[in-house]
Amino acid sequence: DTEVTQTPKHLVMGMTNKKSLKCEQHMGHRAMYWYKQKAKKPPELMFVYSYEKLSINESVPSRFSPECPNSSLLNLHLHALQPEDSALYLCASSQAWSSGNREQFFGPGTRLTVL
Amino acid sequence: KQEVTQIPAALSVPEGENLVLNCSFTDSAIYNLQWFRQDPGKGLTSLLLIQSSQREQTSGRLNASLDKSSGRSTLYIAASQPGDSATYLCAVRGEYGNKLVFGAGTILRVKS
Repeated sequence: DTEVTQTPKHLVMGMTNKKSLKCEQHMGHRAMYWYKQKAKKPPELMFVYSYEKLSINESVPSRFSPECPNSSLLNLHLHALQPEDSALYLCASSQAWSSGNREQFFGPGTRLTVL
Repeated sequence: KQEVTQIPAALSVPEGENLVLNCSFTDSAIYNLQWFRQDPGKGLTSLLLIQSSQREQTSGRLNASLDKSSGRSTLYIAASQPGDSATYLCAVRGEYGNKLVFGAGTILRVKS
């Protein structure tokens, strides 16, 4: 099973809302990632978790708050977003840095629209 | 700082043609290189992964090569089909850490 699942598929939220994006994998991967992708651009790395600890934060604004409750789940909590945060949010997973070929597998993404 | 460039930015070919997509990177200290396919509004599908010690990988009609010393990779697609129409992205991972650096992608259209 090489599947990464993401929910919801689509999300529309106002600038004062609080919402969460969810990601799950059952491949035994110990590294999980959040990416943001704007139209016609490549994905931009936001956060990396390795062994459930945050290892990379690419200077992401604090209105985005990641959480890794266990080795299979990754959440992205959203609060007070701006319209320019509208994008496709992608989750990915891989074996951790210290092992394996570290091939990244991506989920289908959540299309976020901020009004 | 690693930079990844993909050429061409867009490509339109008739069905059945063989084609080559190019990817170049500035820092040869890579751990691996990964080719992805992305359909509009969808996630990324991993096509091929080449480790830094490998020269090429094959999967069906796809063949990816890697010349680490010159900072180049190519994705060869044989006998293209309309279903191959998508954006193709290459990404490199440095020798240390988990970060992938992506190219801007090549938009491929295969006409029937």
